[in-house]
Amino acid sequence: GNSVTQMEGPVTLSEEAFLTINCTYTATGYPSLFWYVQYPGEGLQLLLKATKADDKGSNKGFEATYRKETTSFHLEKGSVQVSDSAVYFCALRTPGGSYIPTFGRGTSLIVHP
Amino acid sequence: GAGVSQSPSNKVTEKGKDVELRCDPISGHTALYWYRQRLGQGLEFLIYFQGNSAPDKSGLPSDRFSAERTGESVSTLTIQRTQQEDSAVYLCASSLGTTTNTGELFFGEGSRLTVL
Repeated sequence: GNSVTQMEGPVTLSEEAFLTINCTYTATGYPSLFWYVQYPGEGLQLLLKATKADDKGSNKGFEATYRKETTSFHLEKGSVQVSDSAVYFCALRTPGGSYIPTFGRGTSLIVHP
Repeated sequence: GAGVSQSPSNKVTEKGKDVELRCDPISGHTALYWYRQRLGQGLEFLIYFQGNSAPDKSGLPSDRFSAERTGESVSTLTIQRTQQEDSAVYLCASSLGTTTNTGELFFGEGSRLTVL
């Protein structure tokens, strides 16, 4: 079956630090990969996605590259802000069947001024 | 509405009582998903609807859980005879359809259920 593994949180950083949140996956077929973000008190929302190998998704200064050879989709940002404090979820959807998305456990990011 | 709406946002109930959680998806979204998020855990898939049909109910944890959708719109998740282990945030999401794996899901803010 499909699964997504994310690094344990919380990740605590100072403002302007470099961020990496690791995500690896196991999937049947050729999945699309997603990062969702959940800000305090809000629902999950899409941050970025990549639908084929070597694609790079990017949004709001965040980037993630679809690495088929290492089955990874690590999230990075060069300089985090306090407003980036949130929970980040890695997810995948595989073609065929019902396309039900599979999510990781989420990684909490806390950014201090 | 503009986004996915869930109600109630917060529900405290006593063990053994029944609860109903409601989800109002984005207009025109034919696919609707229910997930459960226990404290410190990931999103656990419960059920999805394509239109008013639920092709996959495999995620429902027990026969105490049921869900329905009417008018290709509102969905209700019902938990009968609630147990303490049912305490979680129940998330609803909708999307345009299930015929592709590239589309995003749009989530509501969730219904937090606490069973005493």
